[in-house]
Amino acid sequence: TQLLEQSPQFLSIQEGENLTVYCNSSSVFSSLQWYRQEPGEGPVLLVTVVTGGEVKKLKRLTFQFGDARKDSSLHITAAQPGDTGLYLCAGTGRSQGNLIFGKGTKLSVKP
Amino acid sequence: EAQVTQNPRYLITVTGKKLTVTCSQNMNHEYMSWYRQDPGLGLRQIYYSMNVEVTDKGDVPEGYKVSRKEKRNFPLILESPSPNQTSLYFCASSFRGISNQPQHFGDGTRLSIL
Repeated sequence: TQLLEQSPQFLSIQEGENLTVYCNSSSVFSSLQWYRQEPGEGPVLLVTVVTGGEVKKLKRLTFQFGDARKDSSLHITAAQPGDTGLYLCAGTGRSQGNLIFGKGTKLSVKP
Repeated sequence: EAQVTQNPRYLITVTGKKLTVTCSQNMNHEYMSWYRQDPGLGLRQIYYSMNVEVTDKGDVPEGYKVSRKEKRNFPLILESPSPNQTSLYFCASSFRGISNQPQHFGDGTRLSIL
């Protein structure tokens, strides 16, 4: 059974701090996606990483896919209150249509 | 506006009373899927559909049914709801499958089964 484990589960920081969120698995994934979900809304895609070792940047957010394609990380530089939300990683499970999610990291950035 | 629309947004009902949650997308997407989100368990896939008339079980299909008779609609049916199906439900769609395809989510349906 493929699993995606995210850490930390909760993160509360001050505005301006840096942080890293991890998404790990013992299985190899062809690609991983990162979503952000705000209260009362559905998740919204931030990025998809496909190639082992790939690094993608989205303004202050940096996403990395591990060389072995078993793990990924999300680094936020100089966090702002607008970054507050639930961050989810997702990947293809046991079949082509089966999408599995990590349990998420709930980030709170205080002004 | 491109969107995934779920109805109802909120529902409180009783055990055993059949209910249907509708999901419609206006993006001509082939792939649609249902998830439930529970505290401590995250998002778990219930059913998915790769295209019209093609549906498959996700990770937690027990107690649910789906149908995909037309491309835009993918209703979730609870024939005999039970309290353990109290949850936040999301429908999602993508152009084709999930590999490298962004999933577009609806705003969710909060179901309470008493």
